[in-house]
Amino acid sequence: GAVVSQHPSRVICKSGTSVKIECRSLDFQATTMFWYRQFPKQSLMLMATSNEGSKATYEQGVEKDKFLINHASLTLSTLTVTSAHPEDSSFYICSAQDGYNSPLHFGNGTRLTVT
Amino acid sequence: RKEVEQDPGPFNVPEGATVAFNCTYSNSASQSFFWYRQDCRKEPKLLMSVYSSGNEDGRFTAQLNRASQYISLLIRDSKLSDSATYLCVVRSGGKLIFGQGTELSVKP
Repeated sequence: GAVVSQHPSRVICKSGTSVKIECRSLDFQATTMFWYRQFPKQSLMLMATSNEGSKATYEQGVEKDKFLINHASLTLSTLTVTSAHPEDSSFYICSAQDGYNSPLHFGNGTRLTVT
Repeated sequence: RKEVEQDPGPFNVPEGATVAFNCTYSNSASQSFFWYRQDCRKEPKLLMSVYSSGNEDGRFTAQLNRASQYISLLIRDSKLSDSATYLCVVRSGGKLIFGQGTELSVKP
């Protein structure tokens, strides 16, 4: 089945630093990847849709200058949380699909803690 | 109104019980539907897609009622390992929208 790999799985950083999270589709090409964020006891919230070779589409309320997305190839999308603050601490999950009506396959998530 | 709404949980049931989760969605043009399972502090994993004719996978049965904009998941003979949060997911306007999840706890 389709496998999505996300790295790192856990990161602790100091306030003001930037953190890059990678999302790879291992056995299929993904022209579109999705980035979600999940706070404790809440559902997944879509942050942005990452499109290979073009700009990402951000959801309302998500700052594109703070959450930089790059989708340079058909198998890799990166999310960079710039100038992280404690309120950015969350579970970030990427996902991809290998066909328009196919289900999403998720990476294993990145738990970010900003101190 | 939320785009996807699920039963508020948690559901606490004994082993062997049958449990049903309900989900409603607001966009009548939604195209496809899924149930995902999420274990604590892990990523969601696809449990099953939901088809108009209804579909079954072992102890799990999913149904879709487009007229009522309603999706259900039935778990029969629940196991301890079924304890998790169950997420109703709807594809709407090209995006996948998640419900808030319903937590299930199966007790011995």
